[in-house]
Amino acid sequence: DADVTQTPRNRITKTGKRIMLECSQTKGHDRMYWYRQDPGLGLRLIYYSFDVKDINKGEISDGYSVSRQAQAKFSLSLESAIPNQTALYFCATSDRQPGNEKLFFGSGTQLSVL
Amino acid sequence: AQKITQTQPGMFVQEKEAVTLDCTYDTSDPSYGLFWYKQPSSGEMIFLIYQGSYDQQNATEGRYSLNFQKARKSANLVISASQLGDSAMYFCAMREDFNAGNMLTFGGGTRLMVKP
Repeated sequence: DADVTQTPRNRITKTGKRIMLECSQTKGHDRMYWYRQDPGLGLRLIYYSFDVKDINKGEISDGYSVSRQAQAKFSLSLESAIPNQTALYFCATSDRQPGNEKLFFGSGTQLSVL
Repeated sequence: AQKITQTQPGMFVQEKEAVTLDCTYDTSDPSYGLFWYKQPSSGEMIFLIYQGSYDQQNATEGRYSLNFQKARKSANLVISASQLGDSAMYFCAMREDFNAGNMLTFGGGTRLMVKP
C-alpha cells in the first residue's frame, strides 16, 4: 500500500462546484502539504500543516481551503471551482527531523474544471 | 525573483552518455538544502538526491550526483550512463531553514529525453 494516498486520482467537474481532494498517510509524519503543478511552473505550495492545530497558507492559497482532520489526514477543498484551477495536485508529507527533510508525495490528483 | 531557476525546458541525451541538468538558486539564508526529484510520465514524484548547504562534498546516489557550486549558487544534477528509463521531468527544489517557513520551493522543471 502507498504511504501517501490521494483520492480521487482523476476528477472532472464544472465551474462553480465544490470539490474536495483527500490525502491520507501512513508514514507517521507530522507535516503535510498540498502543491499544485502546472506546466512550466513546477510545483507551487497551496497550504501546509505542521501538526493538527497548525495550518498555514502557502504561495497560492486563494480559492482553496484545507482541513487537517487528524495527523494522518489532510484534505484540500475548492469552494467554487474555476477553470484556471485545472492542474495536477499533489499531497506530500515530511518528517520534522532537521537536515534531509525530503518530501514524500502521493500519486497526484488530476483535476479538470470545465 | 525566482528562487529556483531551471533554464533548460527540454533536453535530449544519447543512451549511455552523461547529462547535466542545470539549477541555480537564490537565497540569503545561510542554511538551506537542495533537492532533485524525478517525475516520469506516470506522474509520481521520486526523490533522487539531497545536498545541504554546509555539506563539504558533493552528494552522490548511484548514477546521480549533484555538482554543488555554492559561490555560484548552482546545484546541477549529473546523470551518468543515461538509460531509457531516465526519460522524465526533473525538478530542482530548495528548502530555506529560516526563510519561507522551511518549505520546499520548486523550479519549473527540465524534460529529459533519452535517445536509443
